[in-house]
Amino acid sequence: AQKITQTQPGMFVQEKEAVTLDCTYDTSDQSYGLFWYKQPSSGEMIFLIYQGSYDEQNATEGRYSLNFQKARKSANLVISASQLGDSAMYFCAMRHLTGGGNKLTFGTGTQLKVEL
Amino acid sequence: NAGVTQTPKFQVLKTGQSMTLQCAQDMNHNSMYWYRQDPGMGLRLIYYSASEGTTDKGEVPNGYNVSRLNKREFSLRLESAAPSQTSVYFCASSRDSLNTEAFFGQGTRLTVV
Repeated sequence: AQKITQTQPGMFVQEKEAVTLDCTYDTSDQSYGLFWYKQPSSGEMIFLIYQGSYDEQNATEGRYSLNFQKARKSANLVISASQLGDSAMYFCAMRHLTGGGNKLTFGTGTQLKVEL
Repeated sequence: NAGVTQTPKFQVLKTGQSMTLQCAQDMNHNSMYWYRQDPGMGLRLIYYSASEGTTDKGEVPNGYNVSRLNKREFSLRLESAAPSQTSVYFCASSRDSLNTEAFFGQGTRLTVV
């Protein structure tokens, strides 16, 4: 069964520093997609970045990058130059194909707090 | 752009009452999902639908039913609400391909007393 694991319930980082949020996944599929979402205290889900299982280069979107290590089945999110507005819950997710379509599975999340 | 619209935003139910959460998307997506979010447990998939007329169980389907009424709408029904169903519910939709993100509604905060 497919599973996403986020082992850091909470993280603190100083403003302007970089932070890495861990994500490991378990799947026997060859084709899958990995996503990171941000959920601020207001509750909405905001898409940040995507990595495909066949992508050879790590994905980047502005201050976000995804450190994809396929053999280790990890897809860590790196936020550079943290800002106070980055304080939020972050979810790692995996999309994979099933007989009934494609399924999107989430981890339990990491609560990030950016401090002055 | 409306995106994914969920109603209601808040609801309080008594144990044993029934209700339907409504979800509609205007992006012509085939795939739609219902999740519940509980503290420390992330988002857990209740049901999903790959296309109109098809639905499949997710991780936590017990106590829920769904209907994919048409391509736009995917509703979630609680037949006999229980306090364990107190949660925040999210509807989402996406295109079919693996490399496209899902778009989420604003969520419904449901309390069962």
